[in-house]
This record gives sequence, C-alpha cells and structure tokens, in this order.
Amino acid sequence: EAQVTQNPRYLITVTGKKLTVTCSQNMNHEYMSWYRQDPGLGLRQIYYSMNVEVTDKGDVPEGYKVSRKEKRNFPLILESPSPNQTSLYFCASSPGQNYNSPLHFGNGTRLTVT
Amino acid sequence: AQSVSQHNHHVILSEAASLELGCNYSYGGTVNLFWYVQYPGQHLQLLLKYFSGDPLVKGIKGFEAEFIKSKFSFNLRKPSVQWSDTAEYFCAVNQGGRRALTFGSGTRLQVQP
Repeated sequence: EAQVTQNPRYLITVTGKKLTVTCSQNMNHEYMSWYRQDPGLGLRQIYYSMNVEVTDKGDVPEGYKVSRKEKRNFPLILESPSPNQTSLYFCASSPGQNYNSPLHFGNGTRLTVT
Repeated sequence: AQSVSQHNHHVILSEAASLELGCNYSYGGTVNLFWYVQYPGQHLQLLLKYFSGDPLVKGIKGFEAEFIKSKFSFNLRKPSVQWSDTAEYFCAVNQGGRRALTFGSGTRLQVQP
C-alpha cells in the first residue's frame, strides 16, 4: 500500500531534549515536505526537499533541521525543543519536479513540549 | 509572498443544505489550486485540483470548485451536504513552476443531522 509513515504519532517531551520525528514514503517520490498545523493558522511549511541531499527552508524553519540522505526518508529534528513548537506535524510527499502533483500526507505527529 | 484567505472559519449547516466555502489568493500569475479535506483524526486528503482548462472542476464525493481568475478565487461548493462531510477544509495554492504550496487557515464544517 502506497503511504507516508510518520513516527511517533504522539510525543510528549521537555524543553531542550533533542528529538527526531521520522517520515518514510514507499512511493519513490522525489519531493518531501514537513508542515506544522496550528489552530487558526492552517498548515505552514517548515522544510522541503526536492530530492536526495537537496533541502530548503519553508516559511517557518526556525528551530528545526532536516536531512535527506535517502529518497524514502525525511526526518525532522528538533535540537532543542521549546513550548512554542507544540503542534501537529505532517510529513508529505509527491512525485515529480513540478507542483502539479498533489501531496500525499502522513497521519501526523502530535508533539507537546512542556 | 503568496497568501491564501479562507474567510469562513467555522460553518454549521444542516444535512441537505448547500455549501460554498470561499478561497482567495494573492498571486496574479499562473497558479495551481487545490482543496484538501481533513476528517476528524485523519490526515489531509486531496479533494480536487485545478491546473488549467475548464475552470469548473469536479472532485470526489460530489464536491466542485470554480476558478475565477478575475476575482483570484477558487470557491468550493457542494449542492447537498451530508453528516459525513463534517471535516476541516483547506484551500492551497502554488505559483506555477514553484514547489512551495501555501495553505489557507482552514474552514471547519459541521453538518448537523
């Protein structure tokens, strides 16, 4: 089954404790992206990747890192989480180099930073 | 920078009522337009999309949207909603040829049986 898999689904952590949210897709998609969803703000793009070893900042990259060492994986790293990073995070992927292709979303990771 | 406005934040309808959700964007050039739906507890799914051609596009579950270039709008419509349409709806726009996709803030639709 074609899917985007995020782990974990729920995560509670404390300020400053490094964490990684994993994202993997099995559709051989070139493009992958991370979004955060906050009430009243919709989805805002954090980082995206056009292909292996190619990443770029989205609208709200501060406090986040990503890597794209393999085509299928695109982990989101929070080196020193803060409470304002409490949010619902979605990973997404799509094929091809242009944006005619719709996004396939993962099931989300709800992060709480205390 | 591109911006997307969804003016209806929360809409409550009775079953069988007609639906229209507004979406306006700011970019004046070539755009690709999408509506995504997020059912409670689930991830976003594509409802419909417009790239070119007929400005009236039909999506899944009886939804349609009309692209009006002169108004920078891409409103979502459904003639008769069902309880199962209760969800949050997001309009999204990208400038032609660019990867960045800008989402609106979403409209929460509640359909009462």
